[in-house]
Amino acid sequence: AQSVAQPEDQVNVAEGNPLTVKCTYSVSGNPYLFWYVQYPNRGLQFLLKYITGDNLVKGSYGFEAEFNKSQTSFHLKKPSALVSDSALYFCAVRVSILTGGGNKLTFGTGTQLKVEL
Amino acid sequence: EAQVTQNPRYLITVTGKKLTVTCSQNMNHEYMSWYRQDPGLGLRQIYYSMNVEVTDKGDVPEGYKVSRKEKRNFPLILESPSPNQTSLYFCASSSRTSGWGETQYFGPGTRLLVL
Repeated sequence: AQSVAQPEDQVNVAEGNPLTVKCTYSVSGNPYLFWYVQYPNRGLQFLLKYITGDNLVKGSYGFEAEFNKSQTSFHLKKPSALVSDSALYFCAVRVSILTGGGNKLTFGTGTQLKVEL
Repeated sequence: EAQVTQNPRYLITVTGKKLTVTCSQNMNHEYMSWYRQDPGLGLRQIYYSMNVEVTDKGDVPEGYKVSRKEKRNFPLILESPSPNQTSLYFCASSSRTSGWGETQYFGPGTRLLVL
């Protein structure tokens, strides 16, 4: 079975400081890893994904994430946080082999990011 | 504009009164899914469809039905809603072009309250 852990319910950071939102995963097989963001009263918006290749993935709004196979992690990062980055962030995983569930993503429980002035 | 739409966005109903939440995508995607989002649990897949007339259960299918008669539509049906189905529901779609790594696109969500 595949699973995703987001160990922090909330992350607080000052505007202009770097931010990290942590994600670790557990899968059998090669993982496809995703980050989504959810703003209040909105659906989930795709930020970035890792499929294969370069371990550092760049995505929307200046976000990036680093795939670390040995630590089974896929932490989301941004060099300089903005107040407008405040939202709920979800990490998700899909294994690369067909194990059922169509294109099911297994989500973490989400991390609320709060960026303050 | 490429999008996934859901209706209604908000719904208050009573126990046992059948309801349908519609989902439609205009991207000609083969795969569609329904998820529910609950605090502390993230999103969990309810049902999915890999193409027209092909549907299967996800992780939490009890109390739900779906159908896929057309490629663009994937309605979620609650035949007899109960309070434990109070949740935020998302429809999602993705292409099968590149396999399982394709990005899923989510609708805006439907907030359901069952009294």
